[in-house]
Amino acid sequence: DQQVKQNSPSLSVQEGRISILNCDYTNSMFDYFLWYKKYPAEGPTFLISISSIKDKNEDGRFTVFLNKSAKHLSLHIVPSQPGDSAVYFCAASDSNYQLIWGAGTKLIIKP
Amino acid sequence: DAGVIQSPRHEVTEMGQEVTLRCKPISGHNSLFWYRQTMMRGLELLIYFNNNVPIDDSGMPEDRFSAKMPNASFSTLKIQPSEPRDSAVYFCASREQGAGSPLHFGNGTRLTVT
Repeated sequence: DQQVKQNSPSLSVQEGRISILNCDYTNSMFDYFLWYKKYPAEGPTFLISISSIKDKNEDGRFTVFLNKSAKHLSLHIVPSQPGDSAVYFCAASDSNYQLIWGAGTKLIIKP
Repeated sequence: DAGVIQSPRHEVTEMGQEVTLRCKPISGHNSLFWYRQTMMRGLELLIYFNNNVPIDDSGMPEDRFSAKMPNASFSTLKIQPSEPRDSAVYFCASREQGAGSPLHFGNGTRLTVT
């Protein structure tokens, strides 16, 4: 049973436009949500997180939105840049601080 | 800070051989995790340590897999004997204590078992 789902395996966006990556979860007890970015041949790198008590967190071009009633979060990247092309993983933290990972979405930024 | 350091970056071995993967976590981080990534299963947690003590090894696939953390600055993941289906990228990650603390990953070891 997948507790964290990223339903889009890939997403293609024009450079300069907004990229929106989505993530759904099933466990209402998750208390933190994190986004990681992964380039080929490298480990995932932490991007941004949000606590379950908030509905928005912003860091530069990256904003994460959390809709607890819908058990949905999204990562917005604006404007999208070629260097943003990577695989993005959504992860949720449970009470034991363990991370439950989504399957990832490959973002392709077209020049 | 050098980040999480894993070695080797690539390992190619024959079926039946013993494989040892190494990890040096970030200094001061008290939790260490071993993950495996495959195309089919994505990122799977194998085992994690808190203050050098294994807390949850339920993700370790079989008895052929074992992990140790003899001190706060070093951990190993051993596969003995290795099998072709163990071929994957193995990541080590560490983090500080605290809710929401992000994991910091190493660059992984790509293991190929022929």
